[in-house]
Amino acid sequence: EADIYQTPRYLVIGTGKKITLECSQTMGHDKMYWYQQDPGMELHLIHYSYGVNSTEKGDLSSESTVSRIRTEHFPLTLESARPSHTSQYLCASSESTRQKIQYFGAGTRLSVL
Amino acid sequence: GESVGLHLPTLSVQEGDNSIINCAYSNSASDYFIWYKQESGKGPQFIIDIRSNMDKRQGQRVTVLLNKTVKHLSLQIAATQPGDSAVYFCAERVGNNRKLIWGLGTSLAVNP
Repeated sequence: EADIYQTPRYLVIGTGKKITLECSQTMGHDKMYWYQQDPGMELHLIHYSYGVNSTEKGDLSSESTVSRIRTEHFPLTLESARPSHTSQYLCASSESTRQKIQYFGAGTRLSVL
Repeated sequence: GESVGLHLPTLSVQEGDNSIINCAYSNSASDYFIWYKQESGKGPQFIIDIRSNMDKRQGQRVTVLLNKTVKHLSLQIAATQPGDSAVYFCAERVGNNRKLIWGLGTSLAVNP
């Protein structure tokens, strides 16, 4: 069982609101990732981090931002939510030497009205 | 039962039968290919991987086959059980920063 947690699991919010999706892991992994996934579709990498104070944008352009102040915590923020941001957001982590094995949280399903 | 991956996203099999899930990849420079299983309401979970210099790898009830000539990857599940019902994703590891590129999922439904 992976020790990576995402909150909230579900979020329904109005357009223009600022939101932060939380992700924490207790495995001491250096590498963490945020993916966006529409139902039944592939995962798209939107942000990743290789350690504290290191963040990079992924392959899919996103208006969200991330921070990595502590190893275990990798929150994602949307300053002004829009209906186009409606999706599922998955957080993952991996060991530095075994990046191909990623451990995922259960996801946050975001609906912006 | 057998799927053609990207073109038939749903595979339905009888409990106890063998399942074959297929995936086509695009990047010749990928060094690892990985299968993940995603159950409803959960994040993906690692199943098995295969290095690009291998053509077959076996795990517990699962076998992954790699055909680099036609850039094709398959996951075989023996004696499929109801607990195997999920969406299965193939992913390839590419690039100097070793990111994963994910394929479209195949939904496996196991009929009792």
